[in-house]
Amino acid sequence: SQTIHQWPATLVQPVGSPLSLECTVEGTSNPNLYWYRQAAGRGLQLLFYSVGIGQISSEVPQNLSASRPQDRQFILSSKKLLLSDSGFYLCAWSATSGGAGELFFGEGSRLTVL
Amino acid sequence: KNQVEQSPQSLIILEGKNCTLQCNYTVSPFSNLRWYKQDTGRGPVSLTIMTFSENTKSNGRYTATLDADTKQSSLHITASQLSDSASYICVVSGYSTLTFGKGTMLLVSP
Repeated sequence: SQTIHQWPATLVQPVGSPLSLECTVEGTSNPNLYWYRQAAGRGLQLLFYSVGIGQISSEVPQNLSASRPQDRQFILSSKKLLLSDSGFYLCAWSATSGGAGELFFGEGSRLTVL
Repeated sequence: KNQVEQSPQSLIILEGKNCTLQCNYTVSPFSNLRWYKQDTGRGPVSLTIMTFSENTKSNGRYTATLDADTKQSSLHITASQLSDSASYICVVSGYSTLTFGKGTMLLVSP
């Protein structure tokens, strides 16, 4: 069966420090991968998605970047964190691109920027 | 603009009672509608997924309905349990987009 792992689960970082959140999927090949951010009282916001190695699409211009160095690995990064980067980050995968496929989420990473 | 509106924003019910959550959407074209359950501090977990031709779908004590004509969906929870306390998110899929509602926060009280 397929599983998705995301880490770290919680992170407290000072303003201006770098960030790296990692996500890996097991049990499937060539998944579509996504990074979402969830702010309190707001819906999930799509940040990045990837349909293959090295292919990254950004939905919202911001202080963050994403990379996909391997088929089942998706990394969310920042060179210098801002206070506004605080939030709950979710990695997800689907077997098909577009909106029709089932979406499976990781457990999330809570980022607090101080 | 594609939008998904959920109501109520939050809800408190007694254990054992039933409740119904609402989802209205303006997504077009429409592919499917999903309900997710998200426990606090965890990732969302899929409860149901319905296509245009499906009017109702059940998953245990959870029953989702869809009226594609009025663009409305509901999630009915029967005989609520303390473990049902969570945020319930309605997600509507177009052919290449996903639009998320803000969720309904449900608290089941003993």
